[in-house]
Amino acid sequence: GAVVSQHPSWVICKSGTSVKIECRSLDFQATTMFWYRQFPKQSLMLMATSNEGSKATYEQGVEKDKFLINHASLTLSTLTVTSAHPEDSSFYICSAGTSGHGREIVETQYFGPGTRLLVL
Amino acid sequence: AQSVTQLGSHVSVSEGALVLLRCNYSSSVPPYLFWYVQYPNQGLQLLLKYTTGATLVKGINGFEAEFKKSETSFHLTKPSAHMSDAAEYFCAVSDHEEYGNKLVFGAGTILRVKS
Repeated sequence: GAVVSQHPSWVICKSGTSVKIECRSLDFQATTMFWYRQFPKQSLMLMATSNEGSKATYEQGVEKDKFLINHASLTLSTLTVTSAHPEDSSFYICSAGTSGHGREIVETQYFGPGTRLLVL
Repeated sequence: AQSVTQLGSHVSVSEGALVLLRCNYSSSVPPYLFWYVQYPNQGLQLLLKYTTGATLVKGINGFEAEFKKSETSFHLTKPSAHMSDAAEYFCAVSDHEEYGNKLVFGAGTILRVKS
């Protein structure tokens, strides 16, 4: 089956620094990638949708200047948390859509294992 | 407002017993419905999905779910629990109008299987 990897799996950083998280589709081309955030004991919340070669679409309430998303190729999307603060500590999960448009993308999402970020 | 409600953040069953994980959703149009499973330190894995057609959907590992429009429910069941079923389960909904082709997840239910 389709595999999505994330790197790093966990990261600890100091407040004020920036952290980059990579999401890769290992054996398929992903035209669309999604970034989610999961707080402890809460559901996954969609942060943004990125399409290869175009700007990401951010959900309401998500700061685009805080969470920079780049989807430069069909197999790689990156999320950069800029000037991280303790409240940014969370579990970040990406997913990749393999084909189609609209609802087809939703149907064929494959999820990465997540990246746990701790900001001190 | 869009929402997915999973009743019970933790469910505990004995090995061999019936598994029932509850999910209710809100949607103004026919939804797509999904169940995902997440094992520790792994990504979400699709168990099953309902899009159109038969309301009883069979998935992997012996799980199935039934879409009941009148009850706005999509409960997940398995006749006989196995130790390997211990994990966290997420229900999710999508539609092309209210949710804009995006997945909206419930809070998750942690399933514990006792030997």
